Amino acid sequence: EVHLVESGGVVVQPGGSLRLSCAGSGFTFGDYSMHWIRQVPGKGLEWVSGITWDSGHLDYADSVRGRFTISRDNTNNSLYLQMDSLRAEDAGFYYCAKDGLWWTWGQGTLVTVSS
Amino acid sequence: EIVLTQSPVTLSLSPGERATLYCRASQKISNMYLAWYQQKPGQAPRLLFYAASSRATDIPDRFRASGSGTDFALTISSLEPDDSAVFYCQQFGYSPYTFGQGTKLQIK
Repeated sequence: EVHLVESGGVVVQPGGSLRLSCAGSGFTFGDYSMHWIRQVPGKGLEWVSGITWDSGHLDYADSVRGRFTISRDNTNNSLYLQMDSLRAEDAGFYYCAKDGLWWTWGQGTLVTVSS
Repeated sequence: EIVLTQSPVTLSLSPGERATLYCRASQKISNMYLAWYQQKPGQAPRLLFYAASSRATDIPDRFRASGSGTDFALTISSLEPDDSAVFYCQQFGYSPYTFGQGTKLQIK
């Protein structure tokens, strides 16, 4: 069974940095593109970033391009999101998802941006 | 960017009734890249359908999805109290991948 576990969500000040992690299991991690999606509590879903299986193509939403960096470590079955220059509007739940005919999601980690 | 517009925004129905939720795309998308999710408070989104009409594992057959091109629909027959949730459509054929704004289904 596919299992994704996000971690790293904490309270951070505006302008600060944070790195989220996502540990994958139950599938051949290195065979799949992966994504980050976020959601402000009580609001809708926003795709944030995606990365191909070999890290050959990185993709970002306009709202985070230049501030966030997606990466992966296929040896350790891990996906990362480096978040810099954080803003209040970056707060929310961050989910990682496995690509495929359908996306499989983790349970999310909460990022709070507050002074 | 492909905009997905869901309607209605909210829907309030009684148990046993039938609900139909709509998702309209701003441009044609392949059925292969259209999914529906159900999200309850405090939970991650749960996949209901992929490839526009393929039911995900453990989804009861009271749920049905259809559509093609720019117009897609999710139908829930014989509503149950546990169906109360927000439902989202998603397209992942064209980056940036986008979601509809959601339809909130309330069971009276």
